[in-house]
Amino acid sequence: GAGVSQSPSNKVTEKGKDVELRCDPISGHTALYWYRQSLGQGLEFLIYFQGNSAPDKSGLPSDRFSAERTGGSVSTLTIQRTQQEDSAVYLCASSSGLAGGSQETQYFGPGTRLLVL
Amino acid sequence: AQSVSQHNHHVILSEAASLELGCNYSYGGTVNLFWYVQYPGQHLQLLLKYFSGDPLVKGIKGFEAEFIKSKFSFNLRKPSVQWSDTAEYFCAVYTGGFKTIFGAGTRLFVKA
Repeated sequence: GAGVSQSPSNKVTEKGKDVELRCDPISGHTALYWYRQSLGQGLEFLIYFQGNSAPDKSGLPSDRFSAERTGGSVSTLTIQRTQQEDSAVYLCASSSGLAGGSQETQYFGPGTRLLVL
Repeated sequence: AQSVSQHNHHVILSEAASLELGCNYSYGGTVNLFWYVQYPGQHLQLLLKYFSGDPLVKGIKGFEAEFIKSKFSFNLRKPSVQWSDTAEYFCAVYTGGFKTIFGAGTRLFVKA
C-alpha cells in the first residue's frame, strides 16, 4: 500500500480483556517495528520483525504482550488481560530491511489509541 | 543503558524566531542519528538523518542538525520558524542491533 496502516484507530476496552492490534506495512518492506507512546513519554521500542521472525523481543514489557507476523506482511500485537497502564498509543513502523537492523528510515503508521478502563 | 535526552519538553516561539532543540545521547560507539517530526493529526515522519560524512545535515523545510561527537549531541536548528512548524519533534539514535532509541520529544508551538 501507499503507507503503513493500522487498525483499529481507537480501542476502548475493559481491564482484563484481550486486545489485538493490527499493522499493515508498506508493500515490500521486510522490517517491521512496534512502539508504544504513553502520555508525555517518548517512543518505547517493543519488538522488531525481519520477515516473519522477531530477532529482538526485548522491549515487550511483560508476558501479556505478544506479536506475530505472517507472510512477511501483516503483523498483530496482542495484549492479554489488559491493565490500565497499557493505555497508550501503539505505533507501527516499517522499513525496507535492505540495510538490516533499524538504521534505516522508518515509516510510521497513524497508531492505535488504546484506552483500558 | 543507552538513552536519548531531549532537554526541552515544551518550546514556545514567535514566528521568525530562531530554533534550537537539544538532543544528547549516551553511547560511545558509532551511531546513526535521526530527527522525526509529528505534525498535528499526522504520522511521525523523518525530518533528517545522519549516518556519516559531513556532520552538518540538512533536512526538509529548512531544518538542519549538527552532529558533535565530542559532546554526544545532535541538536536541531532552524534560523526562522513558521507557524506551520508547530509539531512534536523526536530525536532518535541507532547504536546497532535492531533497536532505535527515541527521546521523549519536544513540543514546539509557534505563535503567529
